[in-house]
Amino acid sequence: GENVEQHPSTLSVQEGDSAVIKCTYSDSASNYFPWYKQELGKRPQLIIDIRSNVGEKKDQRIAVTLNKTAKHFSLHITETQPEDSAVYFCAARFGGSQGNLIFGKGTKLSVKP
Amino acid sequence: NAGVTQTPKFRILKIGQSMTLQCTQDMNHNYMYWYRQDPGMGLKLIYYSVGAGITDKGEVPNGYNVSRSTTEDFPLRLELAAPSQTSVYFCASSSRQETEAFFGQGTRLTVV
Repeated sequence: GENVEQHPSTLSVQEGDSAVIKCTYSDSASNYFPWYKQELGKRPQLIIDIRSNVGEKKDQRIAVTLNKTAKHFSLHITETQPEDSAVYFCAARFGGSQGNLIFGKGTKLSVKP
Repeated sequence: NAGVTQTPKFRILKIGQSMTLQCTQDMNHNYMYWYRQDPGMGLKLIYYSVGAGITDKGEVPNGYNVSRSTTEDFPLRLELAAPSQTSVYFCASSSRQETEAFFGQGTRLTVV
């Protein structure tokens, strides 16, 4: 069935270090892969997304890479700051005409000053 | 623009009661979704809709029903509430398949 696996579930880094979160998906027809950040008690908000015809996308300190052959994609945060501390979710839009957007279980990122 | 609006923000239900969680969006989005988020957990898709009159089950549809009579509204109905339905419920919408999903502020539901 449709599934998105996300690792690690928790990640602790020192301020200024890089953080990498990895996700795999089950459907080779998936075509859209967003990443969301959720701060405590708040709604998820999009931080970056990538479509299946692109291998990499950057936005300042954040980058996402996609390997369609291996069916995995990753979030890279460089020069981490304490305000990056939050839960990060990957998601995949499964293929065909369906509209379902399936999320991974999340990664709790802690950036220590 | 208000974006995606959910009501109520908080609700306590007794076991066996029913209720409807309201969701409305003013962005003319075709796609709408309902998710539940249990404490410390990820987002599980309950139901989704790709347009008015069209709905489909997600990962965890049991115990819920939805309708989509208009583009703007996507209510979620809980019948015979159970403690396992205690969760935070998020409604979201997007314009197309490969575009950002915007989330409402959530409804915190407790079933006692």
